[in-house]
Amino acid sequence: DAGVIQSPRHEVTEMGQEVTLRCKPISGHNSLFWYRQTMMRGLELLIYFNNNVPIDDSGMPEDRFSAKMPNASFSTLKIQPSEPRDSAVYFCASSLQASGSSYNEQFFGPGTRLTVL
Amino acid sequence: SQQGEEDPQALSIQEGENATMNCSYKTSINNLQWYRQNSGRGLVHLILIRSNEREKHSGRLRVTLDTSKKSSSLLITASRAADTASYFCATDEGPNFGNEKLTFGTGTRLTIIP
Repeated sequence: DAGVIQSPRHEVTEMGQEVTLRCKPISGHNSLFWYRQTMMRGLELLIYFNNNVPIDDSGMPEDRFSAKMPNASFSTLKIQPSEPRDSAVYFCASSLQASGSSYNEQFFGPGTRLTVL
Repeated sequence: SQQGEEDPQALSIQEGENATMNCSYKTSINNLQWYRQNSGRGLVHLILIRSNEREKHSGRLRVTLDTSKKSSSLLITASRAADTASYFCATDEGPNFGNEKLTFGTGTRLTIIP
């Protein structure tokens, strides 16, 4: 298995531009998570999906952020318009949530390093 | 407020020594997990301990959990240069909320000196 795939790995853009981050979860996994990591705030959960449905988006900073999961093998995180304070590493993770199971290991992608100038 | 807080924030030891990191959390949990993050990489799951377990081993890793104190420790024995990384604990929302959503601590940066 290729693991969780994220693209692009690096993104440099100017303030005000639209940014789209992409994620392909591990095949067969039914939960997908978007995180943001910065030195100041650590690792923050932005949103997560179960069976392609958004379950908790309370971590999404503001309306400039949106996430979609049109099918089980693809998700996007969009920032429009981007701001310098959005600069961070964005991680996608996936897991298999089995009914009645308490085991919930998450598998992380390599991350996208976003720099907004 | 953040669920998990690791202690210490940074730790440097000689290769071959043991490394101990601690994690404290605030609310009831179903289980607690430890992850490792190498520089520039994503997090990798190391070990999970359930709330009804007190100790668990995996290779050179030993994890303890004290639910009465809401704390956990991760011990890495006979450390190697390759163990240099940041280590995070992660907790779920507890028996009343399920276990999908994890909250990660602030991490301990471990440096192994060859």
